Amino acid sequence: DGGITQSPKYLFRKEGQNVTLSCEQNLNHDAMYWYRQDPGQGLRLIYYSQIVNDFQKGDIAEGYSVSREKKESFPLTVTSAQKNPTAFYLCASRGTGLGTEAFFGQGTRLTVV
Amino acid sequence: RKEVEQDPGPFNVPEGATVAFNCTYSNSASQSFFWYRQDCRKEPKLLMSVYSSGNEDGRFTAQLNRASQYISLLIRDSKLSDSATYLCVVTRGGNKLTFGTGTQLKVEL
Repeated sequence: DGGITQSPKYLFRKEGQNVTLSCEQNLNHDAMYWYRQDPGQGLRLIYYSQIVNDFQKGDIAEGYSVSREKKESFPLTVTSAQKNPTAFYLCASRGTGLGTEAFFGQGTRLTVV
Repeated sequence: RKEVEQDPGPFNVPEGATVAFNCTYSNSASQSFFWYRQDCRKEPKLLMSVYSSGNEDGRFTAQLNRASQYISLLIRDSKLSDSATYLCVVTRGGNKLTFGTGTQLKVEL
């Protein structure tokens, strides 16, 4: 089936450790996105990529890094510089065209203890 | 000012009621508009796109007013299953997708 897959669903890490969240899509979409959602809040854009080997900072990029070496994959690294990393992380992808919708993965709940 | 702003929630309505949500956007260059639905602890899913002429999908009607820079969502004959958070989404040049903070709807018996 075509879709977008995030793994793992739940992740626990100790404070000070970097952690990488996986996002893979087989929808042949050019654009991919990472959002963060805190309880009772909306989605805030961390990074997005419009094409392989290119990405742009979103509104809250500090403490995060990404890569886009393949069209299908857009991993997000939460570094130790991110002061409050515990959150729900959502990855999305979108095809070309103005009215094209974005599809989301099921999300990764990261808890840093 | 936030790029996309929505009505604060929660909206608590009885089953069968009609409820309307508004969303304003600040960038006049915004190009595409959507309403997404998000259930508790789940990923957002597309409810409907919003077209300039307005569009309807069953009990749901979306409107776009470019002059005033707002979009709206009307839900008629609310069902218990409509309880969710509704997110307004706006795109502009370069594929940037911006979400509003969401409006929570609770439909009650």
